[in-house]
Amino acid sequence: GENVEQHPSTLSVQEGDSAVIKCTYSDSASNYFPWYKQELGKRPQLIIDIRSNVGEKKDQRIAVTLNKTAKHFSLHITETQPEDSAVYFCAASSNNDMRFGAGTRLTVKP
Amino acid sequence: KAGVTQTPRYLIKTRGQQVTLSCSPISGHRSVSWYQQTPGQGLQFLFEYFSETQRNKGNFPGRFSGRQFSNSRSEMNVSTLELGDSALYLCASSLAGGSARQETQYFGPGTRLLVL
Repeated sequence: GENVEQHPSTLSVQEGDSAVIKCTYSDSASNYFPWYKQELGKRPQLIIDIRSNVGEKKDQRIAVTLNKTAKHFSLHITETQPEDSAVYFCAASSNNDMRFGAGTRLTVKP
Repeated sequence: KAGVTQTPRYLIKTRGQQVTLSCSPISGHRSVSWYQQTPGQGLQFLFEYFSETQRNKGNFPGRFSGRQFSNSRSEMNVSTLELGDSALYLCASSLAGGSARQETQYFGPGTRLLVL
């Protein structure tokens, strides 16, 4: 089955800096890669996703890149703000399975 | 549209008991997936239901089971509870117009289960 590894497990940045979270997956059939943000005590919410026919996608301060050959994808947050502080989960999905990474706790210091 | 709802929100049980959790998806969503979230293991996929049928299953023991009703509402049951079953149980719904695995999943608030 799918195995998704996510790094780092914790990340602390200064407000205004960039944050990068990386994930690798094992199932070459994976073709959909969503990222979820979970604030403390709240439910996970989709912030951006990318499909395998696209190498990069951007939405304001958030971007995701995908390297299908290397089986890794990354989340980039620029100009971080304190409200970006949360746990971020990557996921890799094929037609039969969706697996999540273990999560990255991002702290943005004001 | 109302979001995904889960009941109960909090539950305390003792070892050996069983528990049933309920999830109501967003109206029109036909797929419901269940996840277990723990601090050490992150989000782990339990199973997915679509049109009252279990379509996918994660790597959990048979004590974990579920079902889906004709209105897409889903229940999850855990029998013979163990201490390690203490977790936040999240359900998520999606339209499943095509493959449910390729769509945005909308999560419910979760049911926090504590097993003593």
